[in-house]
Amino acid sequence: AQKITQTQPGMFVQEKEAVTLDCTYDTSDQSYGLFWYKQPSSGEMIFLIYQGSYDEQNATEGRYSLNFQKARKSANLVISASQLGDSAMYFCAMRGRYSGNTPLVFGKGTRLSVIA
Amino acid sequence: GAVVSQHPSRVICKSGTSVKIECRSLDFQATTMFWYRQFPKQSLMLMATSNEGSKATYEQGVEKDKFLINHASLTLSTLTVTSAHPEDSSFYICSARDQGRGAEAFFGQGTRLTVV
Repeated sequence: AQKITQTQPGMFVQEKEAVTLDCTYDTSDQSYGLFWYKQPSSGEMIFLIYQGSYDEQNATEGRYSLNFQKARKSANLVISASQLGDSAMYFCAMRGRYSGNTPLVFGKGTRLSVIA
Repeated sequence: GAVVSQHPSRVICKSGTSVKIECRSLDFQATTMFWYRQFPKQSLMLMATSNEGSKATYEQGVEKDKFLINHASLTLSTLTVTSAHPEDSSFYICSARDQGRGAEAFFGQGTRLTVV
């Protein structure tokens, strides 16, 4: 079984500052994928970034980067230069990487509030 | 643009009636789709896996006779909430993966169901 833990129910960050959202995971799979999604108040799920368990470099997508520490089983999301539009719920998720027909398992989420 | 489309986005129905929610993959074929349920301020919980041409697989605790899933084509899965009650009020969201496009899962816009 796979499990995702997000220990920060809510976070505040000043506009233009960087923020780190924590995520730890547990799995017995040797191969897996880690994801971060953003959910604004509208409810849609917006894909942000992906990290494969065998990827040696940390994934980056624009202002988003994933701090992947495999030995610690952590996959923290770093958002640089926060913007007001970044205020939303953020979910960390995982899936067995090479199993395309298995669903994502989600953490409880972190609500990020960006302050002007 | 959206690659998974879900309709309706909002629906209000009376207790005892049934509601059908559609999830379509727009530019790829999805032999498997997933249905999630999200209560306010909570995470996404997998309800069932929808398989084209075969029966859906339901998660433990999800009533298959109440939440009917039909995956009649490679681009359409439907979730029907039968004999809806106020406790069925929730946010329902579907997802699918285009295996030719990468690891991410695409989500529909979600359906906010209110049973009165």
